Amino acid sequence: DIVMTQSPLSLPVTLGQPASISCRSSQSLVHSDGNIYLNWLQQRPGQSPRRLIYKVSNRDSGVPDRFSGSGSGTDFTLKISRVEAEDVGVYYCMQGTHWPFTFGQGTRLEIK
Amino acid sequence: QVQLVESGGGLVKPGGSLRLSCTASGFTFSDYSMSWIRQAPGKGPEWVSYIINSGTTIYYADSVKGRFTISRDNAKNSLYLQMNSLRAEDTAVYFCARGSLWGGDYWGQGTLVTVSS
Repeated sequence: DIVMTQSPLSLPVTLGQPASISCRSSQSLVHSDGNIYLNWLQQRPGQSPRRLIYKVSNRDSGVPDRFSGSGSGTDFTLKISRVEAEDVGVYYCMQGTHWPFTFGQGTRLEIK
Repeated sequence: QVQLVESGGGLVKPGGSLRLSCTASGFTFSDYSMSWIRQAPGKGPEWVSYIINSGTTIYYADSVKGRFTISRDNAKNSLYLQMNSLRAEDTAVYFCARGSLWGGDYWGQGTLVTVSS
């Protein structure tokens, strides 16, 4: 199985400051169709996961543009340009290239 | 708007069975692959199974293979998960989601399955 490793696992951030989460996969995530199915999901306290970013860098509808995704091969990053209170929660990277699809351990973002 | 509503969770004894349902609305169900993902208490999500739009291709996680069966009824806009030989480690909130490889663009609110004697 592909192992997804996130860092940091805990991320205290001051409101208005940037935040960055790293995700590394144990194998290349390039699918046979040429796409990279690396996705980022947010889970706010008590809620279902919600997808923010799909295929590395495509932001979902309704997701603020302060969220951005980047990366290639095996190294990927989620950036929040200015953290707001509503961003508190756990962030997961997830790969959909190889079955079984796998998630990172999650990064808990909190306000300092 | 897209809605996914899970049902069928509950308390079941080890070795027992449950059938989860997910009723979809707001989109053409037969156009999309669908997935079941679970999340044990305090843990990260685990992708359990997915089924393509026609139902002809199905994948299962090793942890549930041979015990769980995913199916869909496109005429009823519904996704199902038949869970047999349940174990304590199957205790989790079970979510249905639209899609698969791209992470599921819509998720339901989840239904709790508790396996305990």
